[in-house]
Amino acid sequence: NAGVTQTPKFRVLKTGQSMTLLCAQDMNHEYMYWYRQDPGMGLRLIHYSVGEGTTAKGEVPDGYNVSRLKKQNFLLGLESAAPSQTSVYFCASTLAGSYEQYFGPGTRLTVT
Amino acid sequence: GEDVEQSLFLSVREGDSSVINCTYTDSSSTYLYWYKQEPGAGLQLLTYIFSNMDMKQDQRLTVLLNKKDKHLSLRIADTQTGDSAIYFCSRGAAGNKLTFGGGTRVLVKP
Repeated sequence: NAGVTQTPKFRVLKTGQSMTLLCAQDMNHEYMYWYRQDPGMGLRLIHYSVGEGTTAKGEVPDGYNVSRLKKQNFLLGLESAAPSQTSVYFCASTLAGSYEQYFGPGTRLTVT
Repeated sequence: GEDVEQSLFLSVREGDSSVINCTYTDSSSTYLYWYKQEPGAGLQLLTYIFSNMDMKQDQRLTVLLNKKDKHLSLRIADTQTGDSAIYFCSRGAAGNKLTFGGGTRVLVKP
């Protein structure tokens, strides 16, 4: 059981470039989440999904898009990266009705 | 989430007890959680408490909930160097979403 994995671990982008972060889980969890973590601000929810083919906005969705084409994968896209998107991105998943979210190791993104 | 607040830093000697405090404004949450984040890693659930409980004990961890004051605390007994980490308080919301505090960095000194 790999749990929740994230690809890539690190990335440096120039302003205006695009990229996709991949999150995969092998626990058959229904719910998946994307967070960003900035110093002193805890984790803020970007987008989440309660099932294959469905997504919803979280607290800070602007500048990001997501897709959940397969139950095990949740993709986070940045169409035109900005320096304000420099952050550590965490993916998490959970079973429907469960109280425990399982987190991936994070992706450190720097936008110059 | 501004509605969950924590102090930034706590320093404690090895073997002493640590107490990490958290306050929240939304009283509708059913569950309140404590997560631990070690350097370079994701968050790991430490413990949780239902909103209809006042206290929960789990080995070295004790969670106290004061619903009237909207105050949650985590006590770690016999703190070890391996307890050095960032601790996040969070509350549950609809859709099993979580709102996190800013985290408390705990440094355990030998």
